[in-house]
Amino acid sequence: EDKVVQSPLSLVVHEGDTVTLNCSYEVTNFRSLLWYKQEKKAPTFLFMLTSSGIEKKSGRLSSILDKKELFSILNITATQTGDSAIYLCALEGRDDKIIFGKGTRLHILP
Amino acid sequence: DVKVTQSSRYLVKRTGEKVFLECVQDMDHENMFWYRQDPGLGLRLIYFSYDVKMKEKGDIPEGYSVSREKKERFSLILESASTNQTSMYLCASSRPGTSFYEQYFGPGTRLTVT
Repeated sequence: EDKVVQSPLSLVVHEGDTVTLNCSYEVTNFRSLLWYKQEKKAPTFLFMLTSSGIEKKSGRLSSILDKKELFSILNITATQTGDSAIYLCALEGRDDKIIFGKGTRLHILP
Repeated sequence: DVKVTQSSRYLVKRTGEKVFLECVQDMDHENMFWYRQDPGLGLRLIYFSYDVKMKEKGDIPEGYSVSREKKERFSLILESASTNQTSMYLCASSRPGTSFYEQYFGPGTRLTVT
C-alpha cells in the first residue's frame, strides 16, 4: 500500500535554530512530491519536487528529493516564531492519487 | 486510524450538469473541508464546515455549494459544472477539540468536465 511517513511528528526548538523535517515514502511511480505549510484552514504551498538531487530554495526554506533512497527533507534555517506550523508532505501519483503524510508539528520558542 | 473516503476516484461530467462529490469520515470529526488542487499549485479552500448544518465559505466558493446534514458526511455540489472546474478535489477532516490545522485528507476525486 502506498504510504507517506513524516518525522518527527512534532518538534520544539528555539528561535534561530535550524530544523530538518523528513518525509519518506513507499509510492511507486509518482509525478511530484509537494511540501505545504499549514497555519490556517488551508495549507500553503511551499515546494514541488520532481527531480532527484535538485535543491529548491525559497528564503530560509529549502528542500531536496532523493528518489533512490525514497525521501525528501525540508530545511528551515534561522527559524522564527512565524515558522510555527504543521508541515505537510504529499505525493502526487501518476494515477491521480494524492497521498498526504500526517505532518510534522513545528513549534518555535521565542 | 482515521479514514476519510470520497465517493469516486474519477468522474467525467458534461458542462451544465449538476455534480455531487461525497466525503465521509469515520472518526467523529467536527471539522470538514473541501479543497481543489490544480497541477503544480497548492490546495485552495472551497468551503468548510465546523458542525452539522454549519458551513463557511473558503477562498474560492463561487460555483460551488455544500451540504452537511450528518456529522460524518460533507458533500460538495457543483450546481452547473463548467470546464474550469476540471480539477482534483480533496476532502479533509480534523479532530474535535483541536485546531483546524491537523487535517486528515481523503484520496481525492479527479473531476473532468467536458
